Amino acid sequence: GESVGLHLPTLSVQEGDNSIINCAYSNSASDYFIWYKQESGKGPQFIIDIRSNMDKRQGQRVTVLLNKTVKHLSLQIAATQPGDSAVYFCAESASQGGKLIFGQGTELSVKP
Amino acid sequence: GAVVSQHPSRVICKSGTSVKIECRSLDFQATTMFWYRQFPKQSLMLMATSNEGSKATYEQGVEKDKFLINHASLTLSTLTVTSAHPEDSSFYICSARAPTGSGETQYFGPGTRLLVL
Repeated sequence: GESVGLHLPTLSVQEGDNSIINCAYSNSASDYFIWYKQESGKGPQFIIDIRSNMDKRQGQRVTVLLNKTVKHLSLQIAATQPGDSAVYFCAESASQGGKLIFGQGTELSVKP
Repeated sequence: GAVVSQHPSRVICKSGTSVKIECRSLDFQATTMFWYRQFPKQSLMLMATSNEGSKATYEQGVEKDKFLINHASLTLSTLTVTSAHPEDSSFYICSARAPTGSGETQYFGPGTRLLVL
């Protein structure tokens, strides 16, 4: 299930299930959105990105959905694996290469 | 993909001393680098944008005299935390703007853990 901790929401899923991580962004003028994965003590790792002229983009086991009407972004991970356990951040930018504004983050925990 | 390194990875210092953190793009030139700070269980907060050959642009609320940024070459930006205090203890992460057409917007370094005693 999903819960909100003191600072970081958490999502716990069973190995093999699909995960959906949600993000609400703030700036309606943002044109470029990215999902990052951050493991403990490491820098963010790029997962997938999407431009505002698209509403869906697929990668390997991951899909990003963008709903500009409600300023909502989601990351879907298929067949979640223990190695997917990490904190996931969405980030928005006015343009590709521009400064990034990071969302709150969600901690994904995968149970074997 | 392109690689960004940071040095040191961890540093412990006494209150009142200054600490320098280096950010290097190893296999590409970066005219723009970004510095972030991250407290435990929180998101990354952009501190400043570092532009090669010019002054850094600081985000609102970030003291430019306390967090000195120098971007002297196309592959190196440094962040100096001056007169560090315990509240400056944090995880500092840099990123470098990727070359045009690379697909990614920014490449992130591995971060530097600063502990001020």
